[in-house]
Amino acid sequence: GQQLNQSPQSMFIQEGEDVSMNCTSSSIFNTWLWYKQDPGEGPVLLIALYKAGELTSNGRLTAQFGITRKDSFLNISASIPSDVGIYFCAGITGANSKLTFGKGITLSVRP
Amino acid sequence: KAGVTQTPRYLIKTRGQQVTLSCSPISGHRSVSWYQQTPGQGLQFLFEYFSETQRNKGNFPGRFSGRQFSNSRSEMNVSTLELGDSALYLCASSQRTGNSPLHFGNGTRLTVT
Repeated sequence: GQQLNQSPQSMFIQEGEDVSMNCTSSSIFNTWLWYKQDPGEGPVLLIALYKAGELTSNGRLTAQFGITRKDSFLNISASIPSDVGIYFCAGITGANSKLTFGKGITLSVRP
Repeated sequence: KAGVTQTPRYLIKTRGQQVTLSCSPISGHRSVSWYQQTPGQGLQFLFEYFSETQRNKGNFPGRFSGRQFSNSRSEMNVSTLELGDSALYLCASSQRTGNSPLHFGNGTRLTVT
Protein backbone atom coordinates (compact mmCIF):
# COMPACT_ATOMS: atom_id res chain seq x y z
CA GLY A 1 0.00 0.00 0.00
CA GLN A 2 0.92 3.64 -0.09
CA GLN A 3 3.36 4.86 2.53
CA LEU A 4 4.68 8.26 3.49
CA ASN A 5 8.16 8.33 4.94
CA GLN A 6 9.10 10.89 7.53
CA SER A 7 12.48 10.80 9.18
CA PRO A 8 14.07 11.18 11.56
CA GLN A 9 11.51 10.24 14.21
CA SER A 10 12.71 13.06 16.48
CA MET A 11 14.50 16.36 15.93
CA PHE A 12 16.13 18.62 18.49
CA ILE A 13 16.89 22.23 17.65
CA GLN A 14 17.85 25.43 19.42
CA GLU A 15 15.34 28.26 19.74
CA GLY A 16 15.81 30.65 16.84
CA GLU A 17 17.07 28.02 14.42
CA ASP A 18 15.37 27.06 11.18
CA VAL A 19 14.31 23.44 10.63
CA SER A 20 13.28 21.51 7.55
CA MET A 21 11.25 18.30 7.40
CA ASN A 22 10.75 16.06 4.41
CA CYS A 23 8.01 13.66 3.47
CA THR A 24 8.64 11.20 0.68
CA SER A 25 6.76 8.43 -1.05
CA SER A 26 7.06 6.07 -3.98
CA SER A 27 3.46 6.98 -4.89
CA ILE A 28 2.05 10.09 -6.51
CA PHE A 29 -0.29 12.31 -4.51
CA ASN A 30 -2.73 15.00 -5.64
CA THR A 31 -2.68 16.93 -2.40
CA TRP A 32 -0.15 17.29 0.38
CA LEU A 33 -1.09 18.35 3.89
CA TRP A 34 0.99 19.23 6.92
CA TYR A 35 -0.41 18.92 10.44
CA LYS A 36 0.93 19.71 13.89
CA GLN A 37 -0.22 17.90 17.02
CA ASP A 38 0.29 19.28 20.52
CA PRO A 39 0.19 16.92 23.51
CA GLY A 40 -3.35 15.91 24.43
CA GLU A 41 -4.88 17.50 21.36
CA GLY A 42 -5.81 16.51 17.85
CA PRO A 43 -3.72 17.35 14.78
CA VAL A 44 -4.20 20.87 13.47
CA LEU A 45 -3.92 21.63 9.77
CA LEU A 46 -0.95 23.93 9.07
CA ILE A 47 -0.70 24.05 5.29
CA ALA A 48 -2.47 22.41 2.34
CA LEU A 49 -0.81 22.09 -1.08
CA TYR A 50 -2.81 21.30 -4.19
CA LYS A 51 -0.48 21.69 -7.18
CA ALA A 52 2.93 20.27 -8.07
CA GLY A 53 5.60 22.88 -7.44
CA GLU A 54 3.32 24.97 -5.23
CA LEU A 55 5.08 26.87 -2.46
CA THR A 56 2.84 28.12 0.36
CA SER A 57 3.60 30.05 3.54
CA ASN A 58 1.73 30.38 6.80
CA GLY A 59 3.61 32.79 9.05
CA ARG A 60 6.98 31.24 9.82
CA LEU A 61 6.01 28.03 8.07
CA THR A 62 6.68 27.32 4.40
CA ALA A 63 5.78 24.14 2.59
CA GLN A 64 6.30 22.94 -0.96
CA PHE A 65 4.61 20.33 -3.13
CA GLY A 66 7.39 18.46 -4.94
CA ILE A 67 7.35 18.62 -8.73
CA THR A 68 7.40 14.83 -8.98
CA ARG A 69 4.28 14.79 -6.74
CA LYS A 70 6.03 12.19 -4.61
CA ASP A 71 7.38 14.45 -1.92
CA SER A 72 6.84 17.57 0.12
CA PHE A 73 8.81 19.55 2.64
CA LEU A 74 8.00 21.85 5.53
CA ASN A 75 10.30 24.60 6.77
CA ILE A 76 9.95 26.36 10.09
CA SER A 77 11.99 29.52 10.41
CA ALA A 78 13.19 31.18 13.61
CA SER A 79 11.80 28.42 15.84
CA ILE A 80 10.17 29.26 19.17
CA PRO A 81 9.32 27.02 22.15
CA SER A 82 5.66 26.67 21.11
CA ASP A 83 6.77 24.97 17.88
CA VAL A 84 7.28 21.84 19.99
CA GLY A 85 4.99 19.03 18.88
CA ILE A 86 4.53 16.25 16.37
CA TYR A 87 4.50 17.21 12.70
CA PHE A 88 2.63 14.91 10.33
CA CYS A 89 2.57 14.96 6.58
CA ALA A 90 -0.40 13.50 4.74
CA GLY A 91 -1.18 12.88 1.11
CA ILE A 92 -4.46 12.53 -0.74
CA THR A 93 -4.84 10.52 -3.90
CA GLY A 94 -7.35 8.69 -5.98
CA ALA A 95 -11.01 9.04 -6.75
CA ASN A 96 -11.84 8.00 -3.20
CA SER A 97 -9.76 10.88 -1.81
CA LYS A 98 -7.87 8.37 0.30
CA LEU A 99 -5.69 10.05 2.89
CA THR A 100 -2.35 8.56 3.93
CA PHE A 101 -0.38 9.83 6.95
CA GLY A 102 3.32 9.71 7.72
CA LYS A 103 4.34 8.53 11.19
CA GLY A 104 5.26 12.03 12.25
CA ILE A 105 8.36 13.83 13.48
CA THR A 106 8.56 14.95 17.10
CA LEU A 107 10.20 18.37 17.28
CA SER A 108 11.86 19.62 20.45
CA VAL A 109 13.05 23.21 20.78
CA ARG A 110 15.69 24.04 23.38
CA PRO A 111 15.35 27.55 24.84
CA LYS B 1 -17.44 28.25 13.38
CA ALA B 2 -17.21 25.49 15.98
CA GLY B 3 -14.59 22.82 15.36
CA VAL B 4 -14.95 19.07 15.50
CA THR B 5 -16.27 18.02 18.90
CA GLN B 6 -15.58 14.63 20.40
CA THR B 7 -17.09 13.23 23.56
CA PRO B 8 -16.09 12.05 26.02
CA ARG B 9 -12.48 13.28 26.27
CA TYR B 10 -11.41 10.41 28.53
CA LEU B 11 -12.74 6.92 29.14
CA ILE B 12 -11.57 4.04 31.29
CA LYS B 13 -13.04 0.63 30.55
CA THR B 14 -12.20 -2.93 31.46
CA ARG B 15 -11.48 -5.79 29.10
CA GLY B 16 -14.58 -7.33 27.56
CA GLN B 17 -16.69 -4.21 27.87
CA GLN B 18 -17.89 -2.15 24.95
CA VAL B 19 -17.61 1.57 24.34
CA THR B 20 -19.29 4.19 22.15
CA LEU B 21 -17.52 7.38 21.14
CA SER B 22 -19.24 10.39 19.66
CA CYS B 23 -18.20 12.99 17.10
CA SER B 24 -19.90 16.16 15.89
CA PRO B 25 -18.33 17.47 12.68
CA ILE B 26 -17.81 21.06 11.63
CA SER B 27 -21.09 22.52 10.43
CA GLY B 28 -21.51 21.83 6.73
CA HIS B 29 -19.04 18.96 6.66
CA ARG B 30 -20.66 15.75 5.52
CA SER B 31 -17.69 13.41 5.73
CA VAL B 32 -16.47 12.00 9.03
CA SER B 33 -13.39 9.82 9.41
CA TRP B 34 -12.10 7.97 12.47
CA TYR B 35 -8.47 7.25 13.32
CA GLN B 36 -6.75 5.32 16.07
CA GLN B 37 -3.51 6.83 17.33
CA THR B 38 -0.98 4.92 19.38
CA PRO B 39 2.67 5.77 20.09
CA GLY B 40 3.99 2.81 18.15
CA GLN B 41 1.66 2.81 15.15
CA GLY B 42 0.94 6.45 14.50
CA LEU B 43 -2.39 7.41 12.93
CA GLN B 44 -4.28 4.41 11.65
CA PHE B 45 -7.42 4.83 9.56
CA LEU B 46 -10.53 3.11 10.90
CA PHE B 47 -13.34 4.19 8.59
CA GLU B 48 -14.96 7.07 6.76
CA TYR B 49 -18.64 7.93 6.54
CA PHE B 50 -20.32 10.21 4.05
CA SER B 51 -24.05 10.83 3.87
CA GLU B 52 -24.69 8.05 6.38
CA THR B 53 -22.80 5.48 4.28
CA GLN B 54 -19.46 3.91 5.05
CA ARG B 55 -17.21 4.88 2.13
CA ASN B 56 -13.84 3.54 3.20
CA LYS B 57 -12.70 1.07 5.81
CA GLY B 58 -9.31 0.44 7.33
CA ASN B 59 -7.79 -2.83 8.39
CA PHE B 60 -9.41 -3.29 11.80
CA PRO B 61 -11.38 -6.24 13.16
CA GLY B 62 -15.15 -6.32 13.11
CA ARG B 63 -15.23 -5.32 16.79
CA PHE B 64 -14.76 -1.78 15.51
CA SER B 65 -17.86 -0.33 13.93
CA GLY B 66 -19.35 3.04 13.26
CA ARG B 67 -22.32 4.89 11.93
CA GLN B 68 -23.31 8.33 10.78
CA PHE B 69 -26.60 10.06 11.36
CA SER B 70 -28.58 12.31 9.05
CA ASN B 71 -27.15 15.41 10.76
CA SER B 72 -23.63 14.12 9.93
CA ARG B 73 -22.84 13.33 13.56
CA SER B 74 -21.02 10.04 13.92
CA GLU B 75 -20.43 7.39 16.53
CA MET B 76 -17.94 4.59 16.68
CA ASN B 77 -18.32 1.49 18.79
CA VAL B 78 -15.74 -0.98 20.00
CA SER B 79 -17.05 -4.22 21.43
CA THR B 80 -15.26 -6.82 23.57
CA LEU B 81 -12.50 -4.41 24.46
CA GLU B 82 -8.92 -5.63 24.58
CA LEU B 83 -5.93 -4.07 26.32
CA GLY B 84 -4.46 -3.20 22.92
CA ASP B 85 -7.44 -1.00 22.14
CA SER B 86 -6.06 1.61 24.53
CA ALA B 87 -5.40 4.61 22.30
CA LEU B 88 -6.40 8.10 21.33
CA TYR B 89 -9.37 7.91 18.97
CA LEU B 90 -9.56 10.87 16.64
CA CYS B 91 -12.47 11.99 14.56
CA ALA B 92 -12.00 14.27 11.57
CA SER B 93 -14.46 15.95 9.27
CA SER B 94 -14.19 17.36 5.78
CA GLN B 95 -16.35 18.69 3.00
CA ARG B 96 -15.17 15.74 0.89
CA THR B 97 -15.21 17.76 -2.30
CA GLY B 98 -12.16 16.95 -4.35
CA ASN B 99 -9.13 17.03 -2.12
CA SER B 100 -10.57 18.84 0.87
CA PRO B 101 -8.37 18.39 3.97
CA LEU B 102 -9.45 16.79 7.23
CA HIS B 103 -10.06 18.82 10.35
CA PHE B 104 -9.55 16.89 13.56
CA GLY B 105 -11.17 16.96 16.97
CA ASN B 106 -9.16 16.64 20.17
CA GLY B 107 -9.89 12.96 20.46
CA THR B 108 -11.13 10.55 23.07
CA ARG B 109 -8.42 8.94 25.20
CA LEU B 110 -9.54 5.35 25.85
CA THR B 111 -7.77 3.30 28.48
CA VAL B 112 -8.62 -0.39 28.76
CA THR B 113 -7.59 -2.10 31.99
